[in-house]
Amino acid sequence: EVQLVQSGAEVKKPGESLRISCTTSGYNFVTYWISWVRLMPGIGLEWMGRVDPSDSFVSYSPYFEGQATVSIDKSINTAYLEWSSLKPTDTATYYCARHFSSGSEFDIWGQGTMVTVTS
Amino acid sequence: EIVLTQSPGTLSLSPGERATLSCRASQSLTTTLLAWYQQKRGQAPRLLIFDVSSRATGVPDRFSGSGSGTDFTLSISRLEPEDSAVYYCQWYGKSPYTFGQGTRMEI
Repeated sequence: EVQLVQSGAEVKKPGESLRISCTTSGYNFVTYWISWVRLMPGIGLEWMGRVDPSDSFVSYSPYFEGQATVSIDKSINTAYLEWSSLKPTDTATYYCARHFSSGSEFDIWGQGTMVTVTS
Repeated sequence: EIVLTQSPGTLSLSPGERATLSCRASQSLTTTLLAWYQQKRGQAPRLLIFDVSSRATGVPDRFSGSGSGTDFTLSISRLEPEDSAVYYCQWYGKSPYTFGQGTRMEI
């Protein structure tokens, strides 16, 4: 069974760093792109960026470029989303999702990681 | 960048009725790379429709997608209470993979 399992909820202070993870199983990790998507109440889903695990190439939405960093560790079939200095406006739920094929729809989603940034 | 505008913002219907959800693109989509997702409260999004009109695995045939150019539609027939959710369209023809703002539907 194909699964994307994300790390648990986080509560952080402004200025702190954070890395959340998306651990995949049930398929060949390097074959399928992984995207990260933000959900904010009242805003809806926003695509942040995606990584091609075959070559680690990352493409970002212009809005999220420089806001967070996408990376992978092929040895443990895991993708990451990382912030170096969190802001209260980063408070949201973050999802990882697998592309069915390169540049295609998102067929499998992680369960989501809720991130709360508050002083 | 493609902007997708969904309407209506909210929809309240009764069991057994038919829902029609709209997704309008800011420019004509030259490919059929449009998807629809369903997100129930507290759950991750679920792929319903890809390539405008193809149903994802396990999706009932009550769900259907259509459209071309700038206007796309998700139709849901014989509504059930479990269809209550937010529905998003998405264009994945080229980065950025834009989502519409969503339609909230209550049954």
